Amino acid sequence: EDKVVQSPLSLVVHEGDTVTLNCSYEVTNFRSLLWYKQEKKAPTFLFMLTSSGIEKKSGRLSSILDKKELFSILNITATQTGDSAVYLCAVGVYGGATNKLIFGTGTLLAVQP
Amino acid sequence: EAGVTQFPSHSVIEKGQTVTLRCDPISGHDNLYWYRRVMGKEIKFLLHFVKESKQDESGMPNNRFLAERTGGTYSTLKVQPAELEDSGVYFCASSQGRWSYQRSGNTIYFGEGSWLTVV
Repeated sequence: EDKVVQSPLSLVVHEGDTVTLNCSYEVTNFRSLLWYKQEKKAPTFLFMLTSSGIEKKSGRLSSILDKKELFSILNITATQTGDSAVYLCAVGVYGGATNKLIFGTGTLLAVQP
Repeated sequence: EAGVTQFPSHSVIEKGQTVTLRCDPISGHDNLYWYRRVMGKEIKFLLHFVKESKQDESGMPNNRFLAERTGGTYSTLKVQPAELEDSGVYFCASSQGRWSYQRSGNTIYFGEGSWLTVV
């Protein structure tokens, strides 16, 4: 069965800290890995990764994928209270009629002032 | 650009009643998805429309759930009759093309969800 596991489940840090969120997966027909940030309601898109070893960056956030070891990390540097959210990792699987995302349970990040 | 909109945002119904959730995707997005998150679990896929056609409904839990997308625009998800275990957040998402290709236009965008509580 397709599976996506995120760690840690929750994390409390102070402003200015750097955090690393982990996502490992076991799926058939891997297509891409996506990171979303969910603050109150709608998950908002952060990154889509399809190739190993290529870092994607957006401001203080960056992410990289390792397709050999089947994992991805999301780094946030110089954290701010506005980074507090649930970070969701999802793996896209595609084959035949299937075209869907397999989600992990998320990592709850709390950034304290 | 308007995002994915869902209605109602919250709904409380009694076991055995019927509820219909509505999703309006981003204009021009042919692909529409339904997902749900029940308490303590991860978000799970329900089904995928391409325009008005059901591409994949392998995640629909049982025949109490019926999804439609007449005309290929908005979609509805009906639960009839609702059971206690149906409580959760129902997310709708849309994308312009087949998301599996790395193009910005194929990113999947989510709505804020419809929170359903069955009592």
